[in-house]
Amino acid sequence: DGGITQSPKYLFRKEGQNVTLSCEQNLNHDAMYWYRQDPGQGLRLIYYSQIVNDFQKGDIAEGYSVSREKKESFPLTVTSAQKNPTAFYLCASRWGANVLTFGAGSRLTVL
Amino acid sequence: AQSVTQLDSQVPVFEEAPVELRCNYSSSVSVYLFWYVQYPNQGLQLLLKYLSGSTLVESINGFEAEFNKSQTSFHLRKPSVHISDTAEYFCAVSGRQAAGNKLTFGGGTRVLVKP
Repeated sequence: DGGITQSPKYLFRKEGQNVTLSCEQNLNHDAMYWYRQDPGQGLRLIYYSQIVNDFQKGDIAEGYSVSREKKESFPLTVTSAQKNPTAFYLCASRWGANVLTFGAGSRLTVL
Repeated sequence: AQSVTQLDSQVPVFEEAPVELRCNYSSSVSVYLFWYVQYPNQGLQLLLKYLSGSTLVESINGFEAEFNKSQTSFHLRKPSVHISDTAEYFCAVSGRQAAGNKLTFGGGTRVLVKP
């Protein structure tokens, strides 16, 4: 079945550590997105990529980095510069008229 | 710039009763509108979308939403809810122009269906 796979599902990080969240898709979609979800705040866009080797900052990019070396993969690194990284992170890809398909999410907790 | 406001953060409702989730948006350009549903600890799933044509759109599981351009609204309704409809619902908007293609989400409405 086609879809988006995010890993790990749960991740714990000590303060000062960088962590990388994986996002892989087999849908052959060009555009991919990373969102952060906090209770009561909906989803906020971190980074997005419309084609391989190109990506743009979203609304809350500070403290995060991404790469897009392959069409299928769009990993997100949460750096030590991110002041409040505890959140639920969602990866998505776009098809048709701006319709998004989401992965199951990764929950990051800072200890 | 665009924004989405979901007026209710939580909506408790009894099983088999109707429910309406309110969504208002603002945008300087023509829009596409979406409702997504999220079950606990899962990603979002597309519930329904308005792209063009009829302003009333329906999902396969009984939800419907109506695009009202004059009121800039896209409210979601279901005439009779089930326990399985307990979830969080997100309204989203994007501009129709090709550049950017970013979706803006509302804060979500948590629906709790009680027996």
